[in-house]
Amino acid sequence: DAMVIQNPRYQVTQFGKPVTLSCSQTLNHNVMYWYQQKSSQAPKLLFHYYDKDFNNEADTPDNFQSRRPNTSFCFLDIRSPGLGDAAMYLCATSTTDRGYTFGSGTRLTVV
Amino acid sequence: QKEVEQDPGPLSVPEGAIVSLNCTYSNSAFQYFMWYRQYSRKGPELLMYTYSSGNKEDGRFTAQVDKSSKYISLFIRDSQPSDSATYLCAMRENQGGKLIFGQGTELSVKP
Repeated sequence: DAMVIQNPRYQVTQFGKPVTLSCSQTLNHNVMYWYQQKSSQAPKLLFHYYDKDFNNEADTPDNFQSRRPNTSFCFLDIRSPGLGDAAMYLCATSTTDRGYTFGSGTRLTVV
Repeated sequence: QKEVEQDPGPLSVPEGAIVSLNCTYSNSAFQYFMWYRQYSRKGPELLMYTYSSGNKEDGRFTAQVDKSSKYISLFIRDSQPSDSATYLCAMRENQGGKLIFGQGTELSVKP
């Protein structure tokens, strides 16, 4: 089945140690998004790619970076994770005429 | 004021009840309205997608949009324990625009 796959499902990292989360899609959608979702809160958009064009949200901390080497893959890099970065990180894809398709998320724990 | 307001619940109902979930919004430019269902520790999945005002029905689910009141609703008929999840409303101004989420309402359907 065509889908959005996030790896790993659960990630534990040390305070200040760089971590990378990955997302892949088989839908061939041109837009990919990274959201941060904390407990009982709305998903918060961090950035998105329209094809290769990178769009950062104004309030996304510099600590968060992203790479999209090709249509299928997108990565979220957190350069120096803090305790406040513990959250579910959701990857989503879309074309312009429908809603988003989400992956299952990566739950990040910072110790 | 948040752009999208949603009562976080939790909402607990007996099996077979009719459930009403609601969101209000402040941006009159929103035209596309969606409801997502999110099971615990999973990514959101698209339930309903509507454009502008009106009703849309899909099985036990009915989505209503009242743009004049800036109010959207999701009704679930004959609710089942498998409907227990968090329901997120989401909306955007145009087909390629950023999706804005509500906080989500946690629903529990008791057998």
